[in-house]
Amino acid sequence: DIVVTQTPLSLSVTPGQPVSISCKSSQSLLHSDGKTHLYWYLQKPGQSPQLLIYEVSRRFSGVPDRFSGSGTGTDFTLTISRVEAEDVGIYYCMQGVQLRFTFGPGTKLDIK
Amino acid sequence: QVQLVQSGAEVRKPGASVKVSCKTSGYSFTSHGISWVRQAPGQGLEWVGWISPYNGNTNYGQRFQGRVTMTTETSTSTVYMEVKSLRSDDTAIYYCAREGIGVRVDYWGQGTLVTVSS
Repeated sequence: DIVVTQTPLSLSVTPGQPVSISCKSSQSLLHSDGKTHLYWYLQKPGQSPQLLIYEVSRRFSGVPDRFSGSGTGTDFTLTISRVEAEDVGIYYCMQGVQLRFTFGPGTKLDIK
Repeated sequence: QVQLVQSGAEVRKPGASVKVSCKTSGYSFTSHGISWVRQAPGQGLEWVGWISPYNGNTNYGQRFQGRVTMTTETSTSTVYMEVKSLRSDDTAIYYCAREGIGVRVDYWGQGTLVTVSS
């Protein structure tokens, strides 16, 4: 199975400041369909995960434009341009290039 | 709107089985696969397996092969996941999640807590 890692594992940010989370995979996530299957999810406290970003950089329906994704191959980044209090939770990246999906360990974001 | 509503919490003894349901609505049931993902207490997300409601094809994670069975019931737009020979380390919240158009997992159910304890 593809191994997915994330850094940092936790961070504390002042509202209004930017933040970046890195995600790396052990193999390229470029699929034969031409898409790169890297996803970002946010799990808010006590809730189910929710999709933020798909195919590296595409924002899901209703996701604020302060969230953006970038990267290619095996290295990816989620950026929040200006953190808000409602962004607290655990951010997971997930690879979907193989049907046996694997997730990163998660990055816990809290607000100072 | 797309909804995935799961059955309630379950408590089982080690060695027993549990069957969790995921009732879907708001979209064409047979057009979207369903994955199951679990989360042990205080831990991260672990993919369990996937089923196609269109043809019943399944794909299970290696560590769940032989213990997990996923099925569908088209008449009620419901997906089921049965886990057999439960162990204490199967204690987790189990989520069903829909496969979108070109998106591996988009919408998630609310989760079902399965507790395995003697």
